[in-house]
Amino acid sequence: DAKTTQPNSMESNEEEPVHLPCNHSTISGTDYIHWYRQLPSQGPEYVIHGLTSNVNNRMASLAIAEDRKSSTLILHRATLRDAAVYYCTLSSGTYKYIFGTGTRLKVLA
Amino acid sequence: EAQVTQNPRYLITVTGKKLTVTCSQNMNHEYMSWYRQDPGLGLRQIYYSMNVEVTDKGDVPEGYKVSRKEKRNFPLILESPSPNQTSLYFCASSPGTSGTDTQYFGPGTRLTVL
Repeated sequence: DAKTTQPNSMESNEEEPVHLPCNHSTISGTDYIHWYRQLPSQGPEYVIHGLTSNVNNRMASLAIAEDRKSSTLILHRATLRDAAVYYCTLSSGTYKYIFGTGTRLKVLA
Repeated sequence: EAQVTQNPRYLITVTGKKLTVTCSQNMNHEYMSWYRQDPGLGLRQIYYSMNVEVTDKGDVPEGYKVSRKEKRNFPLILESPSPNQTSLYFCASSPGTSGTDTQYFGPGTRLTVL
C-alpha cells in the first residue's frame, strides 16, 4: 500500500504563503492525491485533490511533481484560522485510504 | 444540513464491556469508513464499506466489528474493549468509491477504556 510522509510541523507568518510538502514515492498510476485538514477539536475536512495536473480552488492550490512522487499544498496567504493539522492521503483504488501523520501548521500573528 | 453524526461523542467504559458507536449520514453516500486517531500515529483506517452489506478491513481491524444493513448507518462495535482501544474515533462517508470522491468526516468520538 502506498504511504505518505510529511514533516511533523511547520510555522508560517500570517499573510505569507505556506508550502506544505508530502512525499508519496510508492504512489501507483491510478492513485489520486487528497489533502485534508483538521482544525482543533474537529474532524478532518477536505481541502483539495488531484491526479497529475496542478489544481486550484478557493482554499488552496495543489502542485504535483511530474513523477507524482511528491506534492505540495500551497496556502497563498496564511491566516490564523489556517492553523491545523494537514493530512496528505492517497486513494489506493481498493477503497482504502492511507493517511500520513500529518503536518501541524502553526501560524504566527 | 448535510452531515455525518456520531454518538456518543464521549464514552468512558471498562475492559470487556461491549459497546457500539453509531455513525449516520444524511447524504445518501455509498462509501463509509471508520478511523482511529492516536498521538504520533495519525489517522488509521479500521473498516470501510463500499455499499450496503459490503464491508472490508482497513489497516487496524483487530478488535472491531462493523455492519452496514442500511445505507445511512455504519456502526462500530467493540465486542470486548481493551485499554489499547482508547482513542479518538472518526466516521466518514463519501458519495462513491472513485479516486475523485472526497470524504466527509463526523465530529469524532473520544473513547476511554479503563
